[in-house]
Amino acid sequence: GDSVTQMEGPVTLSEEAFLTINCTYTATGYPSLFWYVQYPGEGLQLLLKATKADDKGSNKGFEATYRKETTSFHLEKGSVQVSDSAVYFCALSTLENAGGTSYGKLTFGQGTILTVHP
Amino acid sequence: GAVVSQHPSRVICKSGTSVKIECRSLDFQATTMFWYRQFPKKSLMLMATSNEGSKATYEQGVEKDKFLINHASLTLSTLTVTSAHPEDSSFYICSVPIGGRRNQPQHFGDGTRLSIL
Repeated sequence: GDSVTQMEGPVTLSEEAFLTINCTYTATGYPSLFWYVQYPGEGLQLLLKATKADDKGSNKGFEATYRKETTSFHLEKGSVQVSDSAVYFCALSTLENAGGTSYGKLTFGQGTILTVHP
Repeated sequence: GAVVSQHPSRVICKSGTSVKIECRSLDFQATTMFWYRQFPKKSLMLMATSNEGSKATYEQGVEKDKFLINHASLTLSTLTVTSAHPEDSSFYICSVPIGGRRNQPQHFGDGTRLSIL
């Protein structure tokens, strides 16, 4: 089956440091890849996505490139801020069908806790 | 603004109580919704797929009689935790997939923190 593996946390950085969170995946089909972020006490928000090989998703200074040859989708940010402290989830989506309707079904990594200190 | 509304955000109740959580799709019709459970410092575990007009599809190991799902309309799915016990305490999150393609993201509710005393 499909699976996503993220680097284990927690990750603790000083403000303005460089961030990398590794993510690799296995999938039977051709998945779309996502990074979601969860701030304390809240639900998940989409951070960025990439839908095909070599696509780069970017948002709020975060970037991730869909690498099909290495089955990876590592998250990077050049200079983190205290406000970036959150849990980050890598996820893949494949197409499922139910009752005649198709939809993207997500498989999540285990999440990486990021703490940024001033 | 919010695309998915989940209510309530927090519930504290006694053991044996049944608790209903609502998930509403605000801007569009949703024939499918998902329910996840998240343990502290753990990833999201898909519990079930809620299907409008038909039975929910439960993941392996999830008790159907314990976690009742009703997709009453194209904008509302409910999860009822029946006769809740302390081990059911968790963070429950619903999501709605946008469109019928794999590259469309899901939109998540803000979650419900359930605490059973």
